[in-house]
Amino acid sequence: QALLVESGGAVVHPGRSLRLSCAASGFRFDGFGMHWVRQAPGQGLEWVAVISFDASDTYYADSVKGRFTISRDNSKNTLFLQMNSLRPEDSALYYCVKDLGGWYIAGAMDVWGQGTTVSVSS
Amino acid sequence: EIVLTQSPGTLSLSPGNRATLSCRASQGVSSSYLSWYQHKPGQPPRLLISAASSRATGIPDRFSGSGSGTDFTLTINRLEPEDFAVYYCQHYRNSLVAFGPGTRVDLK
Repeated sequence: QALLVESGGAVVHPGRSLRLSCAASGFRFDGFGMHWVRQAPGQGLEWVAVISFDASDTYYADSVKGRFTISRDNSKNTLFLQMNSLRPEDSALYYCVKDLGGWYIAGAMDVWGQGTTVSVSS
Repeated sequence: EIVLTQSPGTLSLSPGNRATLSCRASQGVSSSYLSWYQHKPGQPPRLLISAASSRATGIPDRFSGSGSGTDFTLTINRLEPEDFAVYYCQHYRNSLVAFGPGTRVDLK
């Protein structure tokens, strides 16, 4: 059974950095694209970034472009999100999500982690 | 940039009713990249429908999706108590993902 477990969430001051990790198991990690999706308190879902199965392609939401970096280590079945220059509006529950497609990004997201909470506050 | 609009914002229904949820795109989109999710408090979202009408693994057949172009619909026949939740449509195109604002289906 596919499983995603996020870690690294914390309370940080504005302008600081944080790195989230996501450990994957139960499926061939290096065969699928992966996303980060977040949900701010009381708000809807917001897509953050996607990375292709082989890390050759990465794409970001405008709200995080230039500040966040998505990466992966297929040898360790782990997805990362490096978050720099954090702002209060980045406060959210961050989900690690598997894409339904394989070598291509299907956009549909079929396996979700439980999420890790990031709070940016002075 | 594609913007997804969902209506109604809230749908108040009783178990056994049919729920009809709408998702409208700001421009024509490929149905191959239109998905629906169910989200309950304290749980991660769950994929219900991909490619506009294809049920995900393990999803009961009371859930169905339809539509094309700019207008898509999620229908839940014979609502069960566990179906009361927030539902999101989502689209992927040009390497960008957009979610709709969600429709809350609550108990009347």
